[in-house]
Amino acid sequence: RKEVEQDPGPFNVPEGATVAFNCTYSNSASQSFFWYRQDCRKEPKLLMSVYSSGNEDGRFTAQLNRASQYISLLIRDSKLSDSATYLCVVISGGGADGLTFGKGTHLIIQP
Amino acid sequence: DAGVTQSPTHLIKTRGQQVTLRCSPKSGHDTVSWYQQALGQGPQFIFQYYEEEERQRGNFPDRFSGHQFPNYSSELNVNALLLGDSALYLCASTLEGALGGELFFGEGSRLTVL
Repeated sequence: RKEVEQDPGPFNVPEGATVAFNCTYSNSASQSFFWYRQDCRKEPKLLMSVYSSGNEDGRFTAQLNRASQYISLLIRDSKLSDSATYLCVVISGGGADGLTFGKGTHLIIQP
Repeated sequence: DAGVTQSPTHLIKTRGQQVTLRCSPKSGHDTVSWYQQALGQGPQFIFQYYEEEERQRGNFPDRFSGHQFPNYSSELNVNALLLGDSALYLCASTLEGALGGELFFGEGSRLTVL
């Protein structure tokens, strides 16, 4: 089983809809979790951290399920500008080598 | 406030050649990490530099080497290029002690090996 797994998609979603996708991780000792957004041919940018209690930032909600070892990202009222690849990041260890990116989920918002 | 800058943005090399990529970290940051991102994949950790030393290294061969300068800028060198080295090379900077997942990336150097 890979360390961090994501459904690559693409997820084709109509504008205004709600979409959610998950990221599973294999190391139960993983400590920290993040979602990054990467636009086509651009660099990844931090979208939000994922806290144990869940957190919300506008239309975006991130949640952590430690029992089932996955994190989720939910986007409400999706906009055309939300089209991007969403990468999950899992930290398992204190060093930079303990930070693992998923392959990303490609989201396409359609007008 | 300058963000992370990388050069060159694009380059084409042939197998067996050597390449040097450069990175200037975000103002105030002292730690630089390099990642390789192949098409359709997530970034893979190559190594991290802090205080001019390689602090940690991912699963990459010795053909990949680096350097950090006193002004915190960094270089990534790849020798004996292979076709499989074609990828986007990303530099990320952080401040030592900052939350581990808060990486600031440059726009990357897109390397094509023919």
